[in-house]
Amino acid sequence: DIQMTQSPSTLSASVGDRVTITCRASQSISIWLAWYQQKPGKAPKLLIYKASSLEGGVPSRFSGGGSGTEFTLTISSLQPDDFATYYCQEYNDYSWTFGQGTKVEIK
Amino acid sequence: EAQLVESGGALVQPGGSLRLSCAASGFTFTTYSMNWVRQAPGKGLEWVSYSSGDDTTKYYADSVKGRFTISRDNAKNSLYLQMHSLRAEDTAVYYCARERLTEGIDPFDIWGQGTMVTVSS
Repeated sequence: DIQMTQSPSTLSASVGDRVTITCRASQSISIWLAWYQQKPGKAPKLLIYKASSLEGGVPSRFSGGGSGTEFTLTISSLQPDDFATYYCQEYNDYSWTFGQGTKVEIK
Repeated sequence: EAQLVESGGALVQPGGSLRLSCAASGFTFTTYSMNWVRQAPGKGLEWVSYSSGDDTTKYYADSVKGRFTISRDNAKNSLYLQMHSLRAEDTAVYYCARERLTEGIDPFDIWGQGTMVTVSS
């Protein structure tokens, strides 16, 4: 089974900061990676698919990169609405494994 | 607007059974593969099960294989998860989620609000 590891687990940042979250896969998954945002008590929201494609309606300050085993999610200028938990998800085969999550907190 | 609404969550004793439902609207249900994803209190997301649009192909996480069964009724635009032999570690919010595209393997673009399952004596 593919394992997904995110870092850091928690990130403290200020409004306006550029933040980057990393996700590593235990084996190559090409570009079959998605990123989600989840706020407390709410369902996850799809942000990025195919490693770098922005889902419709998602602000352009979100961007994704990487391929193979190492991926990043970058928020270019953190906004108050962006404080949330972010998950990566591989979909290389019929297992859809999620990373453990990265909580972005207010500094 | 595409929408998913789960129901059926409850408090159940260890070893018990429960059936979750997910009602879909606003899209052609039969053309999309559907999934169940769960989230234990304070924990991360765990994919549980997959059903193809025609209900002929199904996959399960190892943690629920042999205990959970996914099914769908395309005439009723509904997805189900039958859960047996429930354990404390099955306690979670259960979400149904739609795959983004109608072909291939894809992430999940539409999610329900979730339904809580608590397994406790």
